[in-house]
Amino acid sequence: AQKVTQAQTEISVVEKEDVTLDCVYETRDTTYYLFWYKQPPSGELVFLIRRNSFDEQNEISGRYSWNFQKSTSSFNFTITASQVVDSAVYFCALSEAWGAQKLVFGQGTRLTINP
Amino acid sequence: DTGVSQDPRHKITKRGQNVTFRCDPISEHNRLYWYRQTLGQGPEFLTYFQNEAQLEKSRLLSDRFSAERPKGSFSTLEIQRTEQGDSAMYLCASSLQGTGSYNEQFFGPGTRLTVL
Repeated sequence: AQKVTQAQTEISVVEKEDVTLDCVYETRDTTYYLFWYKQPPSGELVFLIRRNSFDEQNEISGRYSWNFQKSTSSFNFTITASQVVDSAVYFCALSEAWGAQKLVFGQGTRLTINP
Repeated sequence: DTGVSQDPRHKITKRGQNVTFRCDPISEHNRLYWYRQTLGQGPEFLTYFQNEAQLEKSRLLSDRFSAERPKGSFSTLEIQRTEQGDSAMYLCASSLQGTGSYNEQFFGPGTRLTVL
């Protein structure tokens, strides 16, 4: 069975600090996809990134960066120079590569950026 | 707006009543998913459709829950004899099953159900 664990329930930092959200996953599949979603107070899930299990290259998009390490089954997310608008709940998710491709989400990390 | 829409956005009902939610996917998307998100947790898969066929149901979907997608377009999720434990956000997502290896799911705003 697939499982995603986000051990950090809540994180609170001061604006402009860097923050890393941890994600550890379990799967028996050799091919799968990993995701990060943002859920602001409005409730709608906002897609941030998708990663194929064969692509371990780290990715940077503006202040966001992702570190995928297959050896440790981790897919961590770092926000550099955090801003108040980054405050939200962030979810890591895992999907099988074929079939239903349903998403398995972690419990989420509530990130609060204080001014 | 051409995104996924859900109606209603909020529903308050008394225990024992039936409720029905609607999801309109992105036009041309042939897959439609339902997820449930309880307070403080991540969304959990309930069921999905490929066109009008319901292909998989989670064990979370008890006999009181039924979902339909009669013409392969919009979908409804009905909960009969609601219980307080049904209080949650119900999320709908759609995707286009094509020739690519992954078909991204686009989420709607959700329907928040409160059972008193």
